[in-house]
Amino acid sequence: TQLLEQSPQFLSIQEGENLTVYCNSSSVFSSLQWYRQEPGEGPVLLVTVVTGGEVKKLKRLTFQFGDARKDSSLHITAAQPGDTGLYLCAGSGGSYIPTFGRGTSLIVHP
Amino acid sequence: EADIYQTPRYLVIGTGKKITLECSQTMGHDKMYWYQQDPGMELHLIHYSYGVNSTEKGDLSSESTVSRIRTEHFPLTLESARPSHTSQYLCASSRGARNSPLHFGNGTRLTVT
Repeated sequence: TQLLEQSPQFLSIQEGENLTVYCNSSSVFSSLQWYRQEPGEGPVLLVTVVTGGEVKKLKRLTFQFGDARKDSSLHITAAQPGDTGLYLCAGSGGSYIPTFGRGTSLIVHP
Repeated sequence: EADIYQTPRYLVIGTGKKITLECSQTMGHDKMYWYQQDPGMELHLIHYSYGVNSTEKGDLSSESTVSRIRTEHFPLTLESARPSHTSQYLCASSRGARNSPLHFGNGTRLTVT
């Protein structure tokens, strides 16, 4: 089983602050996905990264895949209350069945 | 708009009951999955399917069973529910191509008393 460690587990910040969430593993992944989940709903895909060193931007969110394809980060610039949610990373290896981390629970206070 | 549907959303049942959690998708996806989610814990894969008549057990040891008789339908059955089965159950689907994203339903919150 490929394990994904996410940090921090909880994050409570004020509107306008920047933050970074990390997703680390000792395993190499063919791809890594980030999802956001809001209470009472299923996770929704934010981005997929497949190439080592890849950087993708989605408005105020910047995603990076490590050069060795073992880790990833999510950076949010000027966080807003609408960014509140559980952020999950999921890595796919040879079987292409995603393995999920425990998630980072983010609260952005107005 | 949801293209993958789970019913019921909430279920409270007594120990020993047999239950079936329903999951249907209208996207024609080949792959379907069942995950179990508890607060502060990673999503645990309990079953998955590559297509009709294909079912596989995931990493989490489970007393549940699944079937895939039709592409769009992937129900999960617990023959005899126990309090340890209390959890959130998430169904998902994806295209057959590698690295395809998962589309999740809104989950079934199961409580076994």
